[in-house]
Amino acid sequence: EAQVTQNPRYLITVTGKKLTVTCSQNMNHEYMSWYRQDPGLGLRQIYYSMNVEVTDKGDVPEGYKVSRKEKRNFPLILESPSPNQTSLYFCASSIRTLGIQEQFFGPGTRLTVL
Amino acid sequence: AQSVSQHNHHVILSEAASLELGCNYSYGGTVNLFWYVQYPGQHLQLLLKYFSGDPLVKGIKGFEAEFIKSKFSFNLRKPSVQWSDTAEYFCAVDERSNDYKLSFGAGTTVTVRA
Repeated sequence: EAQVTQNPRYLITVTGKKLTVTCSQNMNHEYMSWYRQDPGLGLRQIYYSMNVEVTDKGDVPEGYKVSRKEKRNFPLILESPSPNQTSLYFCASSIRTLGIQEQFFGPGTRLTVL
Repeated sequence: AQSVSQHNHHVILSEAASLELGCNYSYGGTVNLFWYVQYPGQHLQLLLKYFSGDPLVKGIKGFEAEFIKSKFSFNLRKPSVQWSDTAEYFCAVDERSNDYKLSFGAGTTVTVRA
């Protein structure tokens, strides 16, 4: 089954404790992206990657890191989480053909930073 | 920068009522347009999309949307809602540029009363 998976689905942590949220897709998509969803703000892009070893900042990259060592994986790293990073996080992947793309979203990771 | 505006933050309807959710975007070039739905506790699912051709597009679950280029709008409609349509709805716009960026509106929460 074609899908985007994220782990963990729920995480409660404390300020300053490094964490990683994993994202994996089995569709051989070149493009992957991370979003955070906050009430009244919709989804905002954190980082994206156009291919292996190619990453770039989205709209809200502060406090986050990413890596893309393999095509299928795109982990999100919070080196020193803070309470304002409490949010719902979505990973997405897509492929673009002739200017047309469709993003497929993972199930989400609900993060609480105390 | 691209902006996507959804006119209503929260809509409350009775079953069998008609639904229309507004979406406007600011980018003047060629765009791809999407509506996503997020049912309570679930991830985003694609309702419908517009790339080119007939500006009236039909999606899943009886939803349709109309692209009006002159108004920079992509409004979502459903003639008769059901209780199961209770969800949050997001409009999203892709500028067809090379950065694969998908910009989301803030979302509209739709509550359908039985």
